[in-house]
Amino acid sequence: DIVMTQGALPTPVPSGESASITCQSSKSLLHSNGKTYLNWYLQRPGQSPQFLIYWMSTRASGVSDRFSGSGSGTDFTLKISSVEAEDVGVYYCQQFLEYPLTFGSGTKLEIK
Amino acid sequence: EVQLVESGGGLVQPGSSLKVSCVASGFTFSSYAMHWFRQAPENGIDWLAYITADSSSTHYAETVKGRFTISRDNAKNTVDMQLSSLRSEDTALYFCVRESGGRGFDYWGQGVMVTVSS
Repeated sequence: DIVMTQGALPTPVPSGESASITCQSSKSLLHSNGKTYLNWYLQRPGQSPQFLIYWMSTRASGVSDRFSGSGSGTDFTLKISSVEAEDVGVYYCQQFLEYPLTFGSGTKLEIK
Repeated sequence: EVQLVESGGGLVQPGSSLKVSCVASGFTFSSYAMHWFRQAPENGIDWLAYITADSSSTHYAETVKGRFTISRDNAKNTVDMQLSSLRSEDTALYFCVRESGGRGFDYWGQGVMVTVSS
């Protein structure tokens, strides 16, 4: 199984500052079709996960352009520019290259 | 508006069975693969199973293979999962989720709680 490892954030992040969340995969998520199958989700307290980013860097429909994804085949970053109160929650990376689908353990964002 | 509404959770004893169901609305259900995920209390997210849009193929996580069965009824816009031989470690919030055509998972239900305890 592909293991996803997420880094921690130095919490809390001051409101208006940027935050970068890292994720590593144990196997390259770059497919032969040129797409990198890495997704990001945000789970706000008490809510279901919300789809943020797919194919490593494409924002899902309706997602603020304050969220951006980048990376290589195995190292990924979700950047949130100018964090706001509504960004609080746990961020998960997830690989969609092969089954079983696997998630990172989550990175908690708190705002000061 | 896309909606996924789960039902069927509850408190059950180890070794017993339970069916969780999901009713979909607001989109052409028969065009989308559907998945079940779960999240144990204060834990991360685990993928469990998926079924293709036409039910031609299913796939399971090793932890539930042989115990859980996913199925769907496109006429009723429902996707179910039969849980059997339940263990305490199956205690979790179970989510019904729509796959966005190879991109990821764009709509999640609110989840249904399954508690396995004697």
